[in-house]
Amino acid sequence: EDQVTQSPEALRLQEGESSSLNCSYTVSGLRGLFWYRQDPGKGPEFLFTLYSAGEEKEKERLKATLTKKESFLHITAPKPEDSATYLCAVDRGNKLVFGAGTILRVKS
Amino acid sequence: GAVVSQHPSRVICKSGTSVKIECRSLDFQATTMFWYRQFPKQSLMLMATSNEGSKATYEQGVEKDKFLINHASLTLSTLTVTSAHPEDSSFYICSIGGIAKNIQYFGAGTRLSVL
Repeated sequence: EDQVTQSPEALRLQEGESSSLNCSYTVSGLRGLFWYRQDPGKGPEFLFTLYSAGEEKEKERLKATLTKKESFLHITAPKPEDSATYLCAVDRGNKLVFGAGTILRVKS
Repeated sequence: GAVVSQHPSRVICKSGTSVKIECRSLDFQATTMFWYRQFPKQSLMLMATSNEGSKATYEQGVEKDKFLINHASLTLSTLTVTSAHPEDSSFYICSIGGIAKNIQYFGAGTRLSVL
């Protein structure tokens, strides 16, 4: 059965303190791994999609990487506006299976 | 990315009543739409896949007669929660897919509270 596990559950950072979020997965034949950002009371906002081990994508302070077993979302010099829940999902044949998310809080 | 409008954003209803939630694709003809529910501090759980012009495909454990889905056009899908009960209180989110590489774009969600 496909599984997506995210860690840590919650992360508190000071502004400017870089860190990484982890998404480990078990899926037969990865078709794609997705990162989304979700603000409280809102729907998820698409960030990145990765398809093969070694692939990397960047957007502003965020960088997503992919290996055969896990993906990392690196946050460089975060700002308070980066505070949100970050969700990871794998493509299971036109369906997305989501992890539970990492709640990120960045304090100024 | 695609723009998805979901309405209403919040609804409070009495137990036993039915509630309809609309999901509109504003700039893309969506042949496939998805409906999720999310409990506090939990992840999104897929309820059903809605295909334009055909019956929705429900995930295991989701009651078809309880959660009625209609996808009558390429820009509109509706979810009706019939005879709602307090345990149906949740955050319901729709998404559209089939755009590129199975990326899904989400609406803002509907917070349903059943009294």
